[in-house]
Amino acid sequence: KAGVTQTPRYLIKTRGQQVTLSCSPISGHRSVSWYQQTPGQGLQFLFEYFSETQRNKGNFPGRFSGRQFSNSRSEMNVSTLELGDSALYLCASSLEVTGEEKLFFGSGTQLSVL
Amino acid sequence: SQQGEEDPQALSIQEGENATMNCSYKTSINNLQWYRQNSGRGLVHLILIRSNEREKHSGRLRVTLDTSKKSSSLLITASRAADTASYFCATVQGAQKLVFGQGTRLTINP
Repeated sequence: KAGVTQTPRYLIKTRGQQVTLSCSPISGHRSVSWYQQTPGQGLQFLFEYFSETQRNKGNFPGRFSGRQFSNSRSEMNVSTLELGDSALYLCASSLEVTGEEKLFFGSGTQLSVL
Repeated sequence: SQQGEEDPQALSIQEGENATMNCSYKTSINNLQWYRQNSGRGLVHLILIRSNEREKHSGRLRVTLDTSKKSSSLLITASRAADTASYFCATVQGAQKLVFGQGTRLTINP
């Protein structure tokens, strides 16, 4: 069974640009969550999608958005990039949200904003 | 805000020794999970302990949970170089949102 796949692995952008990150969950998993990880703030929850619906959202500005497709694949978009958006963006999938489901993480997309 | 806070922030021990990491949390929980992250990679689930459990074992891992103190500990016995990683505790906060602590960076010296 293939794991969670995130593309691209590395990305370099400049301030003001926008970026789209992709995540393919484990087959059969309908919940996809996104996290931002930085040395200063640690792991911060961005949002979670289940069956194409956003179920939860963290405390990030509207520049951060996401969506989920009918095949459970998910994308997140960051518009008008800022230097502080440089981070490792992690996607995780789980079978469904029950409070006990463990998350399966991808290797992440390392975004550098110059 | 972080639900869990790990202690210590960094730990360096010799191979073969035991490593203990602690996690404190703020609100009541149904369960607590521990994850490991190798440098620059995704997190890997290690173990889940429910609120009605006090101790759980998985291989060389031993997790304890004290709900009265809102704390948990992760013990890795007979450490190996491959255990070098960051370890995070995580709890569900709000509507099914898993929140992670800042992590403990563990270094095993050969």
